[in-house]
Amino acid sequence: DQQVKQNSPSLSVQEGRISILNCDYTNSMFDYFLWYKKYPAEGPTFLISISSIKDKNEDGRFTVFLNKSAKHLSLHIVPSQPGDSAVYFCAASPSDSWGKFQFGAGTQVVVTP
Amino acid sequence: GAGVSQSPSNKVTEKGKDVELRCDPISGHTALYWYRQSLGQGLEFLIYFQGNSAPDKSGLPSDRFSAERTGGSVSTLTIQRTQQEDSAVYLCASKGPGGNTIYFGEGSWLTVV
Repeated sequence: DQQVKQNSPSLSVQEGRISILNCDYTNSMFDYFLWYKKYPAEGPTFLISISSIKDKNEDGRFTVFLNKSAKHLSLHIVPSQPGDSAVYFCAASPSDSWGKFQFGAGTQVVVTP
Repeated sequence: GAGVSQSPSNKVTEKGKDVELRCDPISGHTALYWYRQSLGQGLEFLIYFQGNSAPDKSGLPSDRFSAERTGGSVSTLTIQRTQQEDSAVYLCASKGPGGNTIYFGEGSWLTVV
Protein backbone atom coordinates (compact mmCIF):
# COMPACT_ATOMS: atom_id res chain seq x y z
CA ASP A 1 0.00 0.00 0.00
CA GLN A 2 1.64 3.18 -1.24
CA GLN A 3 1.19 5.74 1.51
CA VAL A 4 3.22 8.45 -0.22
CA LYS A 5 2.35 9.19 -3.82
CA GLN A 6 3.98 11.30 -6.46
CA ASN A 7 1.53 11.13 -9.33
CA SER A 8 3.66 12.94 -11.89
CA PRO A 9 6.48 10.67 -13.05
CA SER A 10 8.09 13.47 -15.02
CA LEU A 11 8.20 17.24 -15.37
CA SER A 12 9.83 19.36 -18.02
CA VAL A 13 10.48 23.02 -17.32
CA GLN A 14 12.38 25.80 -18.99
CA GLU A 15 15.46 27.25 -17.31
CA GLY A 16 14.55 30.23 -15.16
CA ARG A 17 10.92 29.17 -14.69
CA ILE A 18 9.34 27.62 -11.61
CA SER A 19 9.28 23.86 -11.05
CA ILE A 20 6.41 22.59 -8.92
CA LEU A 21 6.54 19.03 -7.68
CA ASN A 22 3.60 17.49 -5.88
CA CYS A 23 3.28 14.78 -3.27
CA ASP A 24 0.19 13.30 -1.61
CA TYR A 25 0.01 11.06 1.42
CA THR A 26 -2.65 8.95 3.03
CA ASN A 27 -1.38 8.32 6.56
CA SER A 28 -2.62 11.02 8.93
CA MET A 29 0.12 10.02 11.38
CA PHE A 30 2.81 11.40 9.08
CA ASP A 31 4.19 14.51 10.70
CA TYR A 32 7.61 15.07 9.17
CA PHE A 33 8.35 15.38 5.49
CA LEU A 34 11.51 15.57 3.43
CA TRP A 35 12.49 16.07 -0.19
CA TYR A 36 15.46 14.34 -1.74
CA LYS A 37 17.16 14.77 -5.09
CA LYS A 38 18.80 11.89 -6.91
CA TYR A 39 21.17 11.95 -9.86
CA PRO A 40 21.76 8.76 -11.89
CA ALA A 41 24.19 6.33 -10.25
CA GLU A 42 24.25 8.34 -7.03
CA GLY A 43 22.46 8.03 -3.71
CA PRO A 44 19.65 10.47 -2.86
CA THR A 45 20.75 13.72 -1.27
CA PHE A 46 18.68 15.70 1.20
CA LEU A 47 17.14 18.95 -0.04
CA ILE A 48 14.65 20.37 2.41
CA SER A 49 12.26 19.28 5.16
CA ILE A 50 9.13 20.44 6.91
CA SER A 51 7.38 19.41 10.08
CA SER A 52 3.62 19.32 10.47
CA ILE A 53 3.63 22.34 12.77
CA LYS A 54 4.57 24.49 9.78
CA ASP A 55 2.95 25.07 6.43
CA LYS A 56 5.98 26.49 4.64
CA ASN A 57 9.73 26.16 4.76
CA GLU A 58 12.13 28.00 2.51
CA ASP A 59 15.79 27.42 1.75
CA GLY A 60 17.26 29.45 -1.07
CA ARG A 61 15.61 28.48 -4.34
CA PHE A 62 13.66 25.66 -2.68
CA THR A 63 10.37 26.08 -0.83
CA VAL A 64 8.21 23.31 0.53
CA PHE A 65 4.52 23.85 1.25
CA LEU A 66 2.43 21.58 3.44
CA ASN A 67 -1.36 21.39 3.41
CA LYS A 68 -2.25 19.04 6.24
CA SER A 69 -5.98 19.06 5.66
CA ALA A 70 -5.45 17.97 2.06
CA LYS A 71 -2.55 15.66 2.96
CA HIS A 72 -0.54 17.32 0.26
CA LEU A 73 2.87 18.86 0.00
CA SER A 74 4.69 20.51 -2.82
CA LEU A 75 8.23 21.56 -3.65
CA HIS A 76 8.82 24.77 -5.56
CA ILE A 77 12.14 25.43 -7.27
CA VAL A 78 12.60 29.01 -8.37
CA PRO A 79 14.34 29.73 -10.66
CA SER A 80 14.97 26.31 -12.17
CA GLN A 81 18.49 25.61 -13.37
CA PRO A 82 19.86 22.87 -15.65
CA GLY A 83 21.67 21.34 -12.67
CA ASP A 84 18.28 20.75 -11.07
CA SER A 85 17.59 18.00 -13.61
CA ALA A 86 17.25 14.92 -11.42
CA VAL A 87 14.69 12.63 -9.82
CA TYR A 88 12.99 14.15 -6.79
CA PHE A 89 11.54 12.01 -4.01
CA CYS A 90 9.28 13.09 -1.20
CA ALA A 91 9.41 11.14 2.04
CA ALA A 92 7.30 11.08 5.18
CA SER A 93 7.75 9.80 8.70
CA PRO A 94 4.91 9.00 11.11
CA SER A 95 4.82 10.23 14.67
CA ASP A 96 4.05 6.71 15.92
CA SER A 97 7.05 5.18 14.19
CA TRP A 98 9.53 8.00 14.10
CA GLY A 99 12.30 7.56 11.59
CA LYS A 100 10.56 4.97 9.43
CA PHE A 101 10.51 7.05 6.27
CA GLN A 102 8.22 6.12 3.40
CA PHE A 103 9.14 7.42 -0.01
CA GLY A 104 7.16 8.32 -3.08
CA ALA A 105 8.00 6.89 -6.49
CA GLY A 106 9.81 10.03 -7.58
CA THR A 107 9.39 12.71 -10.23
CA GLN A 108 11.95 13.10 -13.00
CA VAL A 109 12.60 16.80 -13.59
CA VAL A 110 14.22 17.96 -16.79
CA VAL A 111 15.25 21.60 -17.01
CA THR A 112 15.81 22.74 -20.56
CA PRO A 113 18.03 25.68 -21.50
CA GLY B 1 33.89 8.17 7.79
CA ALA B 2 32.47 11.36 6.38
CA GLY B 3 29.52 9.70 4.69
CA VAL B 4 27.61 6.44 4.45
CA SER B 5 29.79 3.87 2.75
CA GLN B 6 28.42 0.85 0.90
CA SER B 7 30.11 -2.12 -0.67
CA PRO B 8 30.24 -3.59 -3.16
CA SER B 9 29.19 -0.78 -5.45
CA ASN B 10 28.27 -3.31 -8.13
CA LYS B 11 27.55 -7.02 -7.88
CA VAL B 12 26.52 -9.45 -10.58
CA THR B 13 25.47 -12.82 -9.27
CA GLU B 14 23.89 -15.96 -10.62
CA LYS B 15 20.34 -16.84 -9.74
CA GLY B 16 20.24 -19.01 -6.63
CA LYS B 17 23.46 -17.67 -5.11
CA ASP B 18 23.60 -15.80 -1.81
CA VAL B 19 24.85 -12.22 -1.65
CA GLU B 20 25.94 -9.94 1.17
CA LEU B 21 25.80 -6.17 0.98
CA ARG B 22 27.63 -4.05 3.50
CA CYS B 23 26.85 -0.64 4.94
CA ASP B 24 29.11 1.50 7.08
CA PRO B 25 27.02 4.37 8.48
CA ILE B 26 28.17 7.83 9.42
CA SER B 27 30.14 7.67 12.64
CA GLY B 28 27.91 8.22 15.66
CA HIS B 29 24.66 7.65 13.80
CA THR B 30 22.37 5.42 15.79
CA ALA B 31 19.72 4.75 13.17
CA LEU B 32 20.41 2.72 10.05
CA TYR B 33 18.06 1.97 7.19
CA TRP B 34 18.03 -0.26 4.14
CA TYR B 35 15.96 0.66 1.10
CA ARG B 36 15.94 -0.69 -2.40
CA GLN B 37 15.04 0.85 -5.72
CA SER B 38 14.07 -1.40 -8.56
CA LEU B 39 14.19 -0.13 -12.12
CA GLY B 40 11.55 2.53 -12.63
CA GLN B 41 10.32 2.29 -9.06
CA GLY B 42 10.56 4.44 -5.96
CA LEU B 43 12.51 3.71 -2.81
CA GLU B 44 11.13 0.67 -1.01
CA PHE B 45 11.69 0.47 2.74
CA LEU B 46 13.28 -2.81 3.82
CA ILE B 47 14.51 -2.64 7.41
CA TYR B 48 15.34 -0.10 10.09
CA PHE B 49 17.71 -0.36 13.04
CA GLN B 50 17.48 2.13 15.90
CA GLY B 51 20.14 1.85 18.59
CA ASN B 52 19.81 -1.36 20.56
CA SER B 53 16.10 -1.80 19.87
CA ALA B 54 14.79 -4.73 17.89
CA PRO B 55 14.90 -3.84 14.19
CA ASP B 56 11.77 -3.02 12.24
CA LYS B 57 11.79 -5.73 9.58
CA SER B 58 8.35 -4.99 8.23
CA GLY B 59 9.62 -4.08 4.77
CA LEU B 60 11.60 -7.23 4.03
CA PRO B 61 9.93 -8.81 0.98
CA SER B 62 10.55 -12.44 1.88
CA ASP B 63 12.39 -14.68 4.33
CA ARG B 64 15.26 -14.83 1.87
CA PHE B 65 16.17 -11.36 3.09
CA SER B 66 17.84 -10.69 6.41
CA ALA B 67 19.99 -7.98 7.94
CA GLU B 68 22.27 -7.64 10.90
CA ARG B 69 23.88 -4.71 12.58
CA THR B 70 26.93 -5.62 14.60
CA GLY B 71 28.15 -3.44 17.44
CA GLY B 72 25.64 -0.77 16.59
CA SER B 73 27.61 0.26 13.54
CA VAL B 74 28.21 -1.76 10.37
CA SER B 75 25.24 -3.54 8.85
CA THR B 76 25.06 -6.45 6.41
CA LEU B 77 22.05 -7.17 4.25
CA THR B 78 21.96 -10.79 3.13
CA ILE B 79 19.86 -12.12 0.27
CA GLN B 80 19.72 -15.89 0.04
CA ARG B 81 18.94 -17.84 -3.12
CA THR B 82 18.78 -14.70 -5.20
CA GLN B 83 16.09 -14.31 -7.83
CA GLN B 84 16.05 -12.08 -10.89
CA GLU B 85 13.42 -9.84 -9.27
CA ASP B 86 15.98 -9.05 -6.55
CA SER B 87 17.92 -7.00 -9.10
CA ALA B 88 17.87 -3.43 -7.80
CA VAL B 89 19.92 -0.72 -6.17
CA TYR B 90 20.17 -1.37 -2.46
CA LEU B 91 20.54 1.88 -0.55
CA CYS B 92 21.68 2.26 3.01
CA ALA B 93 21.04 5.39 5.04
CA SER B 94 21.79 6.56 8.56
CA LYS B 95 20.51 9.19 10.96
CA GLY B 96 22.13 10.76 13.98
CA PRO B 97 20.59 10.84 17.47
CA GLY B 98 18.06 13.61 17.61
CA GLY B 99 18.49 14.25 13.92
CA ASN B 100 15.61 14.57 11.50
CA THR B 101 17.37 13.80 8.25
CA ILE B 102 18.62 10.52 6.86
CA TYR B 103 21.76 10.44 4.77
CA PHE B 104 22.16 7.94 1.98
CA GLY B 105 25.12 6.03 0.64
CA GLU B 106 25.79 5.63 -3.05
CA GLY B 107 24.05 2.28 -3.18
CA SER B 108 24.97 -1.26 -4.14
CA TRP B 109 23.80 -2.19 -7.62
CA LEU B 110 22.78 -5.84 -7.67
CA THR B 111 22.14 -7.70 -10.88
CA VAL B 112 20.92 -11.29 -10.74
CA VAL B 113 21.44 -13.19 -14.00
